[in-house]
Amino acid sequence: DTGVSQDPRHKITKRGQNVTFRCDPISEHNRLYWYRQTLGQGPEFLTYFQNEAQLEKSRLLSDRFSAERPKGSFSTLEIQRTEQGDSAMYLCASSSYTGELFFGEGSRLTVL
Amino acid sequence: SQQGEEDPQALSIQEGENATMNCSYKTSINNLQWYRQNSGRGLVHLILIRSNEREKHSGRLRVTLDTSKKSSSLLITASRAADTASYFCATPRSMNRDDKIIFGKGTRLHILP
Repeated sequence: DTGVSQDPRHKITKRGQNVTFRCDPISEHNRLYWYRQTLGQGPEFLTYFQNEAQLEKSRLLSDRFSAERPKGSFSTLEIQRTEQGDSAMYLCASSSYTGELFFGEGSRLTVL
Repeated sequence: SQQGEEDPQALSIQEGENATMNCSYKTSINNLQWYRQNSGRGLVHLILIRSNEREKHSGRLRVTLDTSKKSSSLLITASRAADTASYFCATPRSMNRDDKIIFGKGTRLHILP
């Protein structure tokens, strides 16, 4: 399968712990996005990359959040010192110049 | 910031009926997209319509775009149980910046047997 893959699919952690999510985009796509989605809401933009450059970061993201995309391939999203309010589905998507987003299945985070 | 807003928030119809969802947006854009999301899954791209297009079809889907009213509609004809999902419209932040794609809150569609 050559779609977008995310890992892990589910993560349960205790408040204060750090978590990291990984996204492997479609190989020829140069743009990679991270979104957060809570129950009953639409995806909220977090950040995006053009190749390896992080071009924008939402004001929703506190300093506890960091994302990387080394060498313009896979990306990681790390949340430090997790809080209960971080519980959500974290979605990764990639796109080419055409603009359509291809999403992974998401990583669901539960902070106890 | 919310660019697109779907209406209604929820919709229940009988199988076989048509379902219509609407999206209104705030700033001028050069394209608008519709996505579907089954419960607990990622989003799936349905259709992209450009600002110079008024209508676009894909199978049982029909999308219209009215740039003068800043609105779009998604019509699903002859609905099936498998169409039960949330549907989102998505737009670029502005006409000149198509990099950041912003989603609405979605319409939750339930097809009754």
